[in-house]
Amino acid sequence: AQKITQTQPGMFVQEKEAVTLDCTYDTSDPSYGLFWYKQPSSGEMIFLIYQGSYDQQNATEGRYSLNFQKARKSANLVISASQLGDSAMYFCAMREGVGGKLIFGQGTELSVKP
Amino acid sequence: ETGVTQTPRHLVMGMTNKKSLKCEQHLGHNAMYWYKQSAKKPLELMFVYNFKEQTENNSVPSRFSPECPNSSHLFLHLHTLQPEDSALYLCASSQGTGTGATYEQYFGPGTRLTVT
Repeated sequence: AQKITQTQPGMFVQEKEAVTLDCTYDTSDPSYGLFWYKQPSSGEMIFLIYQGSYDQQNATEGRYSLNFQKARKSANLVISASQLGDSAMYFCAMREGVGGKLIFGQGTELSVKP
Repeated sequence: ETGVTQTPRHLVMGMTNKKSLKCEQHLGHNAMYWYKQSAKKPLELMFVYNFKEQTENNSVPSRFSPECPNSSHLFLHLHTLQPEDSALYLCASSQGTGTGATYEQYFGPGTRLTVT
């Protein structure tokens, strides 16, 4: 079974609007971490935001926020006020327990339209 | 200065060649990783090193041979590769290997490998 699922292969958003990228996960470990990475066409993976399974509040980092719904096992990324430079692949990832592997989803390609 | 560097950025090699990919991190991290990213597939973890010791080998074929001489350098030695090994190979480093934001991974720009 897929541990991390990103159901949106591609998304379009108008510049300055907000966009939500979906991510659902599957784990029976009570301790886990959820990560979002951005991969521009240059190839480098850029860490955006992190949410721990025991964190009470949703994580926020500038224009990025993580909509963490533990019961639904979802960790959607919200990007506010989209910019042209946000066009990239976005990957959701999960690490289970201590020393666990980082498992990535298939990714969502976001295109920001001017 | 970029935290994690990789060389070369692009590599074309024949199936009988031997080549090496190099990764260097300037972040003072203790763990380093190799990932493979094929088209239309999620990133696949290949190897993990923690304090120079290999802690994970994700059933990688022996034609890929990692080497970690110290916590700052990681190599991936390649020999007798197959065309299906063509992919983007990403190196990453982290403070450690546990759960938590402290252990987020920082990635290099990758090496685009083409096997002919």
